[in-house]
Amino acid sequence: DTAVSQTPKYLVTQMGNDKSIKCEQNLGHDTMYWYKQDSKKFLKIMFSYNNKELIINETVPNRFSPKSPDKAHLNLHINSLELGDSAVYFCASSQGEGLDYSTDTQYFGPGTRLTVL
Amino acid sequence: AQSVTQLDSQVPVFEEAPVELRCNYSSSVSVYLFWYVQYPNQGLQLLLKYLSGSTLVKGINGFEAEFNKSQTSFHLRKPSVHISDTAEYFCAVSGGYGGATNKLIFGTGTLLAVQP
Repeated sequence: DTAVSQTPKYLVTQMGNDKSIKCEQNLGHDTMYWYKQDSKKFLKIMFSYNNKELIINETVPNRFSPKSPDKAHLNLHINSLELGDSAVYFCASSQGEGLDYSTDTQYFGPGTRLTVL
Repeated sequence: AQSVTQLDSQVPVFEEAPVELRCNYSSSVSVYLFWYVQYPNQGLQLLLKYLSGSTLVKGINGFEAEFNKSQTSFHLRKPSVHISDTAEYFCAVSGGYGGATNKLIFGTGTLLAVQP
């Protein structure tokens, strides 16, 4: 009955490869997010989607491309991986109704630890 | 721009002792404040949040936080900690500008290390 799930949990790959991380939520939420947590545990938002529409796109290299096939899924594809992409990537979701999501509780997945060699 | 400062990167404490984790925020508009907890090798989960009303907010697992607008603080407290409270605690701020593009801004986290 996992609310927000991510696959894979661990991803080890070589520089220059392309990889994807998948995220699914079964909470019926309208909004989903991708966060990056670096080695110092600092957590920063990368993207946010509401009903399959991109609403937040932080200053992220265009090698990162999110895709939302439906509102329950938000995948992250990364091209030409670099050493600096090594991090833990978290998917999250929130209710996302109305015009302001500021008060929403976000529900996080377990994270995907990406290691680029 | 909004920002969050968690001055303590690590707080060691003995079991059954009280603890306070400090959080200060910076914003030119009204904000909403959150505390999230991250247990080892897990995702974050909400402990509590302040949206409006009473400045003392009670959360899960016996934690509470007090919103202090004049000091721009939102410190987290627990009167008696357990070993199981060992985790990373993140303070976060959002809101104020309205609209769907509001996002959570996280502090750098405080590791609460409870010792027997």
